[in-house]
Amino acid sequence: EPEVTQTPSHQVTQMGQEVILRCVPISNHLYFYWYRQILGQKVEFLVSFYNNEISEKSEIFDDQFSVERPDGSNFTLKIRSTKLEDSAMYFCASSEWGRGGTDTQYFGPGTRLTVL
Amino acid sequence: SQKIEQNSEALNIQEGKTATLTCNYTNYSPAYLQWYRQDPGRGPVFLLLIRENEKEKRKERLKVTFDTTLKQSLFHITASQPADSATYLCALFMDSNYQLIWGAGTKLIIKP
Repeated sequence: EPEVTQTPSHQVTQMGQEVILRCVPISNHLYFYWYRQILGQKVEFLVSFYNNEISEKSEIFDDQFSVERPDGSNFTLKIRSTKLEDSAMYFCASSEWGRGGTDTQYFGPGTRLTVL
Repeated sequence: SQKIEQNSEALNIQEGKTATLTCNYTNYSPAYLQWYRQDPGRGPVFLLLIRENEKEKRKERLKVTFDTTLKQSLFHITASQPADSATYLCALFMDSNYQLIWGAGTKLIIKP
C-alpha cells in the first residue's frame, strides 16, 4: 500500500541553524500538508500546498518557515533559524484532492526535531 | 475560535467491551469531523469521517455519531481488543479556512 515517507526520522540541531525536513507524498496525491506536534500536545496545522503554491497556512507558519516541492516527488519544510520552541514532531501528509473535499489525509511517520 | 475537547484522562476498558470516546466542540459546526488513531511516536492514521448532515457512520467494529445540536461526536469501538489500545484524536475540518483543527486526544487502554 502506498505511504508517505519522511526523512530524517530524528534531526538534532543547534538553535539558530537552518533545517530542512523532507517528505515524499503518495505519488498520485495533489495536496500536501505539514503539521507539528509538540510533545504531549495537540497536532497543529502549519501549511497546505497545492499546484506548487501555498494553499493555506496557520499563524504558526511565519517567515521562518517555507515549503517547496523541488522536484516531482519531494516536499520539503525549511526552518530558517531554529528556536528552542521549534522542537516537536513534524508530520507530512498528503491527500488526493484536499481543499473543500471530504478527503482523507495520509500521514507520514514524522520527523522528530530537537533544537538545542 | 473553535475549541475541541476530548477527555484528557486515559480510558481503561476491559477486553470485549465497547469503548466510547467523546469529542466536544464549541462554536459553529464543522463541514466534517474525522477520527484518527495515533500510536506513540507515529503519525495519525485516519479511521472514519462523518459529514455534518450525517448522524452515524460505521466501519467494521467502529462507529461514529455526530450531533450538531449537542456539538458532539462519539466514537465507539465494539468488541474491543488490546490491539485497539492507542490515542484517538478527533479533528474538525473547518471550511472557513480549509484547515483541520485537532483535539488533544484520548488515550484508550484495553485490558486483557
